[in-house]
Amino acid sequence: DIQMNQSPSSLSASLGDTITITCHASQNINVWLSWYQQKPGNIPKLLIYKASNLHTGVPSRFSGSGSGTGFTLTISSLQPEDIATYYCQQGQSYPWTFGGGTKLEIK
Amino acid sequence: QVQLKESGPGLVAPSQSLSITCTISGFSLTSYGVHWVRQPPGKGLEWLVVIWSDGSTTYNSALKSRLSISKDNSKSQVFLKMNSLQTDDTAMYYCARHGYGYYAMDYWGQGTSVTVSS
Repeated sequence: DIQMNQSPSSLSASLGDTITITCHASQNINVWLSWYQQKPGNIPKLLIYKASNLHTGVPSRFSGSGSGTGFTLTISSLQPEDIATYYCQQGQSYPWTFGGGTKLEIK
Repeated sequence: QVQLKESGPGLVAPSQSLSITCTISGFSLTSYGVHWVRQPPGKGLEWLVVIWSDGSTTYNSALKSRLSISKDNSKSQVFLKMNSLQTDDTAMYYCARHGYGYYAMDYWGQGTSVTVSS
């Protein structure tokens, strides 16, 4: 199975900040990397697919980049509604696997 | 609009089996695959299985011996069955639509909570 290592596991930032979350795959996954946002008590929602493509309705302050084994999720101009746990997921091969999550808090 | 809704028993006794139904609307099971993902309380996400539009399936090998997925296209329902449940199977169970070309799950149900306890 492909292991997905996500860092940091938690992050505290101020409103208006730009933050970056990284995800490292244990083997080459090309661009088959997705990011999900899960707000407290809520369901996961797709933010980004194929490493850098925003899902329908996702604000442009979210962006993704990377290929191969290293990927990043960047959130610009942090908003209160961005408080959530973020997960990466590889779609290169089955079983699909997720990173351990990054819990984002506002200072 | 695309919707998925899970329904399940809530409480299952150890060693018993679990049956969960995912009822979809806004798309057709003859065109889209549906995944199952679970999340233990306070923990991360684990992908379980997918059933494709043609009825073929792909399982997480770690759980394959205990899992079974099927569907009824005419009723827009997907069924997950898991055998021999233990306490570490306690989790929220989600169904989610496969986003074609995305290699991701583009819409998720609200989840059904399953507690394994005597």
